[in-house]
Amino acid sequence: SQQGEEDPQALSIQEGENATMNCSYKTSINNLQWYRQNSGRGLVHLILIRSNEREKHSGRLRVTLDTSKKSSSLLITASRAADTASYFCATVIGNEKLTFGTGTRLTIIP
Amino acid sequence: GAVVSQHPSRVICKSGTSVKIECRSLDFQATTMFWYRQFPKKSLMLMATSNEGSKATYEQGVEKDKFLINHASLTLSTLTVTSAHPEDSSFYICSATDRRLYEQYFGPGTRLTVT
Repeated sequence: SQQGEEDPQALSIQEGENATMNCSYKTSINNLQWYRQNSGRGLVHLILIRSNEREKHSGRLRVTLDTSKKSSSLLITASRAADTASYFCATVIGNEKLTFGTGTRLTIIP
Repeated sequence: GAVVSQHPSRVICKSGTSVKIECRSLDFQATTMFWYRQFPKKSLMLMATSNEGSKATYEQGVEKDKFLINHASLTLSTLTVTSAHPEDSSFYICSATDRRLYEQYFGPGTRLTVT
């Protein structure tokens, strides 16, 4: 079963704008990870945030985690056409098993 | 570092035949490998977890006799889809982890089409 629900399912923005994707989950987690997938490709790990962390940055990416609301957000600033992809959150509960969210399809319009 | 490969990247087979997909960790020893299935525009669904030298642990609803997993070494896991049917057509992705790395590294995926 899927742990995470992502919102929105699809997002189209102009190049240069910021993109925000949200992920909600149901049970307590060890950590939450965000992945990117280009069409028909494997997944690329973007960032991991642990349950005791609230915010993390990596380049143009900013991830927040609110364990009280069981939600996380991924912000991509100054978007580029190359950011067009599907983005998935994935939670880890206990062991290493990842449970993926439903994903957000992001389209950056040049 | 931490590169995972899959072979083949794309395969078309006839209904009733079996197909083997390989997943290799190229520059690290993968104590655990995971196999996922992804339908078009959908999320990844974990099929099974395999640990080197032991039997795979299958998720609920995944037929272990249909999806045979062998984790023969610390760098290789194989998924064999036996007696494939058109409904087995999907994108299969593996990932590998070394506990010291604390994250999973994904292969590029294999597109299986059963005709």
